[in-house]
Amino acid sequence: AQSVAQPEDQVNVAEGNPLTVKCTYSVSGNPYLFWYVQYPNRGLQFLLKYITGDNLVKGSYGFEAEFNKSQTSFHLKKPSALVSDSALYFCAVRDDFNKFYFGSGTKLNVKP
Amino acid sequence: NAGVMQNPRHLVRRRGQEARLRCSPMKGHSHVYWYRQLPEEGLKFMVYLQKENIIDESGMPKERFSAEFPKEGPSILRIQQVVRGDSAAYFCASGQGGNQPQHFGDGTRLSIL
Repeated sequence: AQSVAQPEDQVNVAEGNPLTVKCTYSVSGNPYLFWYVQYPNRGLQFLLKYITGDNLVKGSYGFEAEFNKSQTSFHLKKPSALVSDSALYFCAVRDDFNKFYFGSGTKLNVKP
Repeated sequence: NAGVMQNPRHLVRRRGQEARLRCSPMKGHSHVYWYRQLPEEGLKFMVYLQKENIIDESGMPKERFSAEFPKEGPSILRIQQVVRGDSAAYFCASGQGGNQPQHFGDGTRLSIL
């Protein structure tokens, strides 16, 4: 069965410091992995995806994610956090039937 | 290119009434998904539809909830005889299938009095 785990409910980081939001997955077949961000009272916004190719994927707003097949992980990263990055982040995996499975979300707090 | 449009943004109903939530997918998208979210929580999958077909409704309660995506017009999530526990944000997402991501609307916030 497909599943996604985001082990941290919350991540706190100071502005200017690097950030990492963790995600591990379980999928049969090829993994199609996605990161989304949600701001208050808004829908989820697509950040980036991994389908195939380079393990380091670059996305919107300076975010990137590293696919690690042996560790079944797809951690979201940014070299220098901004206060405006504070939001709820969701990792997702898509199965071969076009169904998406979302993690429980990680709240990112970036302090000035 | 307009994004996924959901209406209404806010809906208030009294217990026992019906709630109808609408979703117009992005142009060219034939896949529609409905999710439910409680405050500070993750997304709970409800149903996945393609034009005129329900593909997966494993997340839908067996009673009172139904969804459709007709050949013409928006997708509709219908909740009959609403109860307080139905209060939540309901999000619609659309996609093209394949390797493309879903795109989300801004949700309908349903409040039951």
